Amino acid sequence: DAGVIQSPRHEVTEMGQEVTLRCKPISGHNSLFWYRQTMMRGLELLIYFNNNVPIDDSGMPEDRFSAKMPNASFSTLKIQPSEPRDSAVYFCASTLPATEAFFGQGTRLTVV
Amino acid sequence: QKEVEQDPGPLSVPEGAIVSLNCTYSNSAFQYFMWYRQYSRKGPELLMYTYSSGNKEDGRFTAQVDKSSKYISLFIRDSQPSDSATYLCAMSAAYGGSQGNLIFGKGTKLSVKP
Repeated sequence: DAGVIQSPRHEVTEMGQEVTLRCKPISGHNSLFWYRQTMMRGLELLIYFNNNVPIDDSGMPEDRFSAKMPNASFSTLKIQPSEPRDSAVYFCASTLPATEAFFGQGTRLTVV
Repeated sequence: QKEVEQDPGPLSVPEGAIVSLNCTYSNSAFQYFMWYRQYSRKGPELLMYTYSSGNKEDGRFTAQVDKSSKYISLFIRDSQPSDSATYLCAMSAAYGGSQGNLIFGKGTKLSVKP
């Protein structure tokens, strides 16, 4: 398996634009997590899905952020409209019950 | 008080030194304790995990958990330049997060000088 695949690896966008981050979890994994990493706040959980259902989205900073998991092999995190303070590295991770979480390589987002 | 506290460093040591990395936490429901290693511009990778209190050894790495003190440690013996990375502690009430989620420390940046 290729591991958790995220795209794009880098994204530079202007303030106010819509940004969509994509994640393909490891085949067979039934839990998926979106994290955001910044120097100031470290790695923060935004939302996690279990069997494609959002279980906890309390980490989503505000209504500008939304996440979907239409099927077991794909998830998106959307920011609309984007703001400079959204600049961070966004990680997706997937796991099976009682196993480790595997992380993707991350998407480095810069909002100018 | 944040749920998980970790000194961000940076920590610089000479090759061959013993490294001690630590985290404290406040949530007594945590039972699974993990250490992740993150190289620059990469995603975190699981290095070690322990359940409840006790020690676990894997090669040059030893993880310790003291639940009574809410304190966990990672020791690296005979440190190598290839160990240079950011080390993040993580904790959960359930392993893997399928019944919960991982709470991470901010990470300690370690540099091992040849």
